[in-house]
Amino acid sequence: GAVVSQHPSWVICKSGTSVKIECRSLDFQATTMFWYRQFPKQSLMLMATSNEGSKATYEQGVEKDKFLINHASLTLSTLTVTSAHPEDSSFYICSARDGQGRNEQYFGPGTRLTVT
Amino acid sequence: DAKTTQPPSMDCAEGRAANLPCNHSTISGNEYVYWYRQIHSQGPQYIIHGLKNNETNEMASLIITEDRKSSTLILPHATLRDTAVYYCIVSSTSGTYKYIFGTGTRLKVLA
Repeated sequence: GAVVSQHPSWVICKSGTSVKIECRSLDFQATTMFWYRQFPKQSLMLMATSNEGSKATYEQGVEKDKFLINHASLTLSTLTVTSAHPEDSSFYICSARDGQGRNEQYFGPGTRLTVT
Repeated sequence: DAKTTQPPSMDCAEGRAANLPCNHSTISGNEYVYWYRQIHSQGPQYIIHGLKNNETNEMASLIITEDRKSSTLILPHATLRDTAVYYCIVSSTSGTYKYIFGTGTRLKVLA
């Protein structure tokens, strides 16, 4: 149990375009989902917290108009990187927290974004 | 900033126990200790978590000191597939539930 999927697993896009990444909890309802980014040889950095049916809470320094987060249902959150630039190239990882008594987060496999 | 500190790297012989320490001296009373590991280019994998009692599951054991200021993750019989970066995180079970990752420990299991 506690499986989280991400789609796509990797994506290449041109500078100036937008990319949407989906995060799904497959066997539990996730009241809270989180988005992280990870640069090579670095740790995960929390970008934002997403609660179902409400606006996301962004960490300091993360542009909310550039990284649009939507948590439309208890099993799906999306991250849209708008007007992508090469410096947005990174590994994006989501996690989901099962609100039914289990507070640990379960992570998706990640999405490798390359902006050319 | 992360609330945990871990050694940057450790080696362990295959078949031996791997003991990974973590300091979390500013942990609050309602914060749990969580351990995850990340194998290259994958999402972190949950290992174990605890509040104040020692915990054991099929993957590992977690030993938390009585003052809760530090903990040790024990992999009883390390295999080559346990080579990964191990992260120790403290997080509350109320409020934001956020995880702030530190730099982790890069464990290398040697044949």
